[in-house]
Amino acid sequence: EADIYQTPRYLVIGTGKKITLECSQTMGHDKMYWYQQDPGMELHLIHYSYGVNSTEKGDLSSESTVSRIRTEHFPLTLESARPSHTSQYLCASSESFWDTGYGYTFGSGTRLTVV
Amino acid sequence: AQRVTQPEKLLSVFKGAPVELKCNYSYSGSPELFWYVQYSRQRLQLLLRHISRESIKGFTADLNKGETSFHLKKPFAQEEDSAMYYCALHSGAGSYQLTFGKGTKLSVIP
Repeated sequence: EADIYQTPRYLVIGTGKKITLECSQTMGHDKMYWYQQDPGMELHLIHYSYGVNSTEKGDLSSESTVSRIRTEHFPLTLESARPSHTSQYLCASSESFWDTGYGYTFGSGTRLTVV
Repeated sequence: AQRVTQPEKLLSVFKGAPVELKCNYSYSGSPELFWYVQYSRQRLQLLLRHISRESIKGFTADLNKGETSFHLKKPFAQEEDSAMYYCALHSGAGSYQLTFGKGTKLSVIP
């Protein structure tokens, strides 16, 4: 089934550990995004990609990094996790806006807790 | 810079009452506006987009460029409408990014 998948759903990890949040989509979308969302708060764009080998930083400064080696895969990595990284991370993908304005398809999110 | 404002953090209405979730935006060009909804324990999903001029689950939203608003309305609230609602703006200027408001939590009282 065409969808967008995020793993893990929940992650509790110690300070200083390296973590990678996975995001994959099977819809063939070129555009992918990572948003950070604290509970009950707005979404902040932290990274986006318009295609393979294309990555850009979003509006919210983040210590995380991303890669886009394959169209369907857009992982997010934190080299050294800190308690300030505790948040929910949402991955999304989209088709082109200029012809259809379809909007985003979101994954279920990864809730990260750094202790 | 573009901005989306949802003035109400929480909105409580009785079942059967009309609902209006407010959304105002600031953007100098011609924006594309969206409403997203997140039900409890579900993922964020697209509810409707202004270019479609559609009604989804009884909800409608009209883009008012004069008032720079895109309020979400439903004439008769249902309990299953209880959720978090986010208004989002796409600038359309060669950008694929969406700017989200802070969201409004709608609670429908039985």
